[in-house]
Amino acid sequence: QSVLTQPPSVSGAPGQRVTISCTGSSSNIGARYDVHWYQQVPGTAPRLLIYDNNNRPSGVPDRFSGSKSGTSASLTISGLQAEDEADYFCQSYDYMLSGSRVFGTGTKVTVL
Amino acid sequence: QVQLVQSGAEVKKPGASVKVSCKASGYTFGNHDIDWVRQANGQGLEWMGWMNPKSGNTGYAQRFQGRVTMTRNSSISIAYMELRSLTYEDTAVYYCIRGLGGPANRRFDPWGQGTLVTVSA
Repeated sequence: QSVLTQPPSVSGAPGQRVTISCTGSSSNIGARYDVHWYQQVPGTAPRLLIYDNNNRPSGVPDRFSGSKSGTSASLTISGLQAEDEADYFCQSYDYMLSGSRVFGTGTKVTVL
Repeated sequence: QVQLVQSGAEVKKPGASVKVSCKASGYTFGNHDIDWVRQANGQGLEWMGWMNPKSGNTGYAQRFQGRVTMTRNSSISIAYMELRSLTYEDTAVYYCIRGLGGPANRRFDPWGQGTLVTVSA
């Protein structure tokens, strides 16, 4: 049902860099619609992490960064910390789906 | 601070309806859309639709059209989401969210705490 594909899981040791991909198509990311990222710690609601491809809301550490190219986007965590263990979702807009906002399949980040 | 507080957990029988409320505070209610997203246990996020509190206009994801209604009471800054003809597949946590940005670059911030709706005979 999700039109944006993410790897189910990624892992890294504290201090390492991890990157999560979000692959879409010509009707969403490839059509130049912005990509946003959310972090969801188990048992809590998601929170906005990155908006408009590469902007951080106030309070989000600068170790989180985003990028977009073609039909894909990426979220990078530089200097992984234990508290970064969570699920991460990308989100965009798809013009083929009658004005629909669409989410990625989600990626579980594990800190080893 | 900007906050969305949702109503409590619900248990419904198949075929019934559920109405979830979402009280906004900390900002001007009419200035931003309210979107609804649901998440089945351990699954991904599914966008359901949006409602403009000022005009009452709505837009629903295709798979929910005819079964969902989003409304509001602007005088008390509360948004509502009603889902009808519930099936077991509707068991999920339902989130209300403030929508920022235009229709095509909508982002969601903040999220309500979520309301668990369980469909059980």
